[in-house]
Amino acid sequence: EAGVAQSPRYKIIEKRQSVAFWCNPISGHATLYWYQQILGQGPKLLIQFQNNGVVDDSQLPKDRFSAERLKGVDSTLKIQPAKLEDSAVYLCASRQGRNTEAFFGQGTRLTVV
Amino acid sequence: AQSVTQLDSHVSVSEGTPVLLRCNYSSSYSPSLFWYVQHPNKGLQLLLKYTSAATLVKGINGFEAEFKKSETSFHLTKPSAHMSDAAEYFCVVSRNQAGTALIFGKGTTLSVSS
Repeated sequence: EAGVAQSPRYKIIEKRQSVAFWCNPISGHATLYWYQQILGQGPKLLIQFQNNGVVDDSQLPKDRFSAERLKGVDSTLKIQPAKLEDSAVYLCASRQGRNTEAFFGQGTRLTVV
Repeated sequence: AQSVTQLDSHVSVSEGTPVLLRCNYSSSYSPSLFWYVQHPNKGLQLLLKYTSAATLVKGINGFEAEFKKSETSFHLTKPSAHMSDAAEYFCVVSRNQAGTALIFGKGTTLSVSS
């Protein structure tokens, strides 16, 4: 089966610019996650969707980050305006249900200069 | 609330010797537990999972982990390390319920020397 697809793989932007990441989860997976992984740290949950509804966005910096999941399938994560501390790998994952593992995409490596 | 603590940030072993990566968890509910591995510039790959079935779980590449509720631990072991095992390992906890988040530990870097 096809895995979780993310694009772009790499992005370099200047601070205060905006950027968007795209994720296509595994077909049929109701749960979709966005994680932020700063170099040397474990992934931190930014937002979780169940179908097209938000389940948990408590750690999403809502003044600059936004995310949506259209029709319960693809998702986009946007940062506007970006800060230097947003430099990280942004991981998308999807999960079918309870007692199952999450499948992760390759991630988007964002560098803010 | 759920959390996971990986007790060692870095573990070094020699090729052919046993591997032990330690993980303690905290969960108010019946947990699901996972170990993921991340090789440099690669995506996260599932090694094994515990979801309330057998407490001794076998995974890929010879890894296994034992769920010990009394000790709130889920340590990862392998009898004999291989050079290709060098990577970052993450212990992950989740509530055993649909629609819940995966909470990651800070990771353990495994180095394997020849």
